Amino acid sequence: QSVLTQPPSVSGAPGQRVTISCTGSNSNIGAGYDVHWYQQLPGTAPKLLIFANTNRPSGVPDRFSGSKSGTSASLAITGLQAEDEADYYCQSYDTSLSGSVFGGGTKLAVL
Amino acid sequence: EVQLVESGGGLVKPGGSLRLSCAVSGFPFSNAWMSWVRQAPGKGLEWVGRIKTKPDGETTDYAAPVKGRFTISRDDSKKTLYLHLSSLKTEDTAVYYCATDGRDGGHDFWGQGTLVTVSS
Repeated sequence: QSVLTQPPSVSGAPGQRVTISCTGSNSNIGAGYDVHWYQQLPGTAPKLLIFANTNRPSGVPDRFSGSKSGTSASLAITGLQAEDEADYYCQSYDTSLSGSVFGGGTKLAVL
Repeated sequence: EVQLVESGGGLVKPGGSLRLSCAVSGFPFSNAWMSWVRQAPGKGLEWVGRIKTKPDGETTDYAAPVKGRFTISRDDSKKTLYLHLSSLKTEDTAVYYCATDGRDGGHDFWGQGTLVTVSS
């Protein structure tokens, strides 16, 4: 069982908006540690999608956005495209484990 | 261009050992905290451990499932990160990725991964 909780799957039609939640606790997200999001396309390594809760690395479309509140965070994807089909993971730091913790991952299907 | 290239994966018997390498280029390796992250077949990402820089004492931290069995080290002169795996178990079967650690705690850059299979 992952320290951060994500829904196993979400889906949406092309052009729609979806959100992926990430729920932690007071030893990680709730303690003020930043949340980061990764996109993993099939058969490839994870890629940083959102860093420090809300920031996009260069080259990431502004269709992707992140937010954080309390012990939770969310990733929103607007204007869904077929190429967005991937697994998405949230990640933070956990002070009781003294290391990174990941969510279990969410598989996005574009219908 | 930042590049991380893992090597050293393969098939090993339970109880065996293996050393993985991660050769980096395109950024000042000696200034970077580095992590190993693994992904079992069909499963999610699992942080394995981290090593800090020499000025930060080259301190290491490990996830509970690997503590005492895995060791992370680095050679700044060769710009290479290592992961020594010992007392391997079948549940250690995974793709192992090396990744940089940003100061905000995120993992900015990743290698392509190397597969470790533990099986008799």
